[in-house]
Amino acid sequence: DIQMTQSPSSLSASVGDRVTITCRASQSISTYLNWYQQKPGKAPKFLIYAASSLQSGVPSRFSGSGSGTDFTLTISSLQPEDFATYYCQQSYDTSYTFGQGTKLDIK
Amino acid sequence: QVQLQQWGAGLLKPSETVSLTCAVYGGSFSGYYWNWIRQPPGKGLEWIGEINHSGSTNYNPSLKSRVTISVDTSKKQFSLKLSSVTAADTAVYYCARVRQSVVRWFDPWGQGTLVTVSS
Repeated sequence: DIQMTQSPSSLSASVGDRVTITCRASQSISTYLNWYQQKPGKAPKFLIYAASSLQSGVPSRFSGSGSGTDFTLTISSLQPEDFATYYCQQSYDTSYTFGQGTKLDIK
Repeated sequence: QVQLQQWGAGLLKPSETVSLTCAVYGGSFSGYYWNWIRQPPGKGLEWIGEINHSGSTNYNPSLKSRVTISVDTSKKQFSLKLSSVTAADTAVYYCARVRQSVVRWFDPWGQGTLVTVSS
């Protein structure tokens, strides 16, 4: 299996801050990397596919980058509704795997 | 707009079998893989397996010996059976869609079903 490792595991930030979450794959996955947002008690919401392409309807303050083994999710100016847990997921191998999650909370 | 609605028993005893079903409303049933994913309380997401409209399946190797995913195309439904459960199988189980393409992602998701395994 391809292991996905996110850092940090948790992050405290304020409204208006710029935050970056990192995801590392245990082997090269090209750009087969997706990002999701999950709020408590809810199913994950799909945000970004192919490392950097924004799903329709996702605010432009979200962006993704990277290829190979190292990827980032950036939120340019945090809004109150962005406080949630974020997961990366690889689709290079159809035995799909997720990162362990990064919990973003209010400072 | 495609919606997934899932249901199934929420409380099981050790050694019993989880049985969940997910119905697809709106959109095509073919051209996609239909997936099951789970999330233990307070933990991350684990992919369980998938099936397409033809019945072709892929399973997580760590669960493969206990998992069966089936499909009923006439009802636009797919189902999960996970046998010989233990407390470690306690989780919220989600169904989700993946397009059959080079670039794949999970969207949309069902609402989730909490399955608790307890004696």
